[in-house]
Amino acid sequence: DIVMTQSPDSLAVSLGERATINCKSSQSVLYRSNSKNYLAWYQKKPGQPPKLLIYWASTRESGVPDRFSGSGSGTDFTLTISSLQAEDVAVYYCQQYYSAPPYTFGQGTKLEIK
Amino acid sequence: EMQLVESGGGLVQPGGSLRLSCAASGFTFSRYWMHWVRQAPGKGLVWVSRISGDGSSTNYADSVKGRFTISRDNAKNTLYLQMNSLRAEDTAVYSCARAHDYHDYRPFDYWGQGTLVTVSS
Repeated sequence: DIVMTQSPDSLAVSLGERATINCKSSQSVLYRSNSKNYLAWYQKKPGQPPKLLIYWASTRESGVPDRFSGSGSGTDFTLTISSLQAEDVAVYYCQQYYSAPPYTFGQGTKLEIK
Repeated sequence: EMQLVESGGGLVQPGGSLRLSCAASGFTFSRYWMHWVRQAPGKGLVWVSRISGDGSSTNYADSVKGRFTISRDNAKNTLYLQMNSLRAEDTAVYSCARAHDYHDYRPFDYWGQGTLVTVSS
């Protein structure tokens, strides 16, 4: 199984500042035949279901604010929030869907306001 | 409006059984792969099982293989998870989720609110 490891486990950022969350997979999730990275990012708030933010490592889901962006390829990926808003406080998860099942998630990164 | 609504959770003794349901609406249910994902208290997201649109293909996490069975009734737009031989470590909020499009190997674009399963004596 592919193991997904996120860093840091928690992060405190000032409003309006940039937040960066990293995700590393134990093996590549790049499918060379279509050049797509099978990597997604989710936002999870208490009492709410997870929300898909980014898929194919860098494609923003419809309706997701453009302050959220994803980058990376192969085994190393990053979720960036360019200007943190109060409503972005949440736990963020990366997920690989390349070698599935199982569809493995990272352990989560808790994002708070400094 | 797309909706996924889970039901059937509750308190069950170790070794017991529960059947979860996920009622879908607002999309052509039979065309999508569907999944169950769980989150234990204070823990992260863990994929549990998936089923193809026509129900012919199913897969399970190793931790539930042989104990849980996923199924669907496309005429009723409903997904199920039959859980047998429950253990304390199965305690979690169970959510159903839809694959992002009609294909396999896709992330999950819609999720239900979840239903809590507590396994305790």
